[in-house]
Amino acid sequence: DAGITQSPRYKITETGRQVTLMCHQTWSHSYMFWYRQDLGHGLRLIYYSAAADITDKGEVPDGYVVSRSKTENFPLTLESATRSQTSVYFCASSAPGALRETQYFGPGTRLLVL
Amino acid sequence: GDSVTQMEGPVTLSEEAFLTINCTYTATGYPSLFWYVQYPGEGLQLLLKATKADDKGSNKGFEATYRKETTSFHLEKGSVQVSDSAVYFCALSTPSGGSNYKLTFGKGTLLTVNP
Repeated sequence: DAGITQSPRYKITETGRQVTLMCHQTWSHSYMFWYRQDLGHGLRLIYYSAAADITDKGEVPDGYVVSRSKTENFPLTLESATRSQTSVYFCASSAPGALRETQYFGPGTRLLVL
Repeated sequence: GDSVTQMEGPVTLSEEAFLTINCTYTATGYPSLFWYVQYPGEGLQLLLKATKADDKGSNKGFEATYRKETTSFHLEKGSVQVSDSAVYFCALSTPSGGSNYKLTFGKGTLLTVNP
């Protein structure tokens, strides 16, 4: 199916474990984004990528690593998970040109760190 | 820095009631404004947008007008349905270097519509 998908949709892990959340989009959008959603904070930007091999930090990047070797994929890795990283994670993408202000979101990954 | 303030919820209405969710913003420059909706268990979906002063965005019976003089973008619907129950996010978009735009979100307003 066309669109933006995330996997897994739900994940339980333990403190100190490495976890990778996957994001895949079929639109060939150049920009991709990772957000976390927490009660009382709304959505906060973790990292974004302007194109393959170009990534940059957002508002809350500490404890996270991203890569983008292919335009369609933008994985987010928690190198050593902490309880404070329990959250819902959303991936988003935006098209180039005049539509680049509008972001399109995936369904989210609910992560619980025990 | 940029910020969005929207009314805190939860908001509970009866079906066919009138809805207003207030949103005000602070931004440098001239932002575009958005309302996103998040249905239970799903990601955010763009509901409507406006890119310049006095523009009205509309979709699915929802409307919001870009008011530069009051820095506001209030969401309205004349007659809500149970299916409108969701979390609504106001957001603004501003340039953030190169050709990228940064989205700044409000904290969200939970709307529950009862039959």
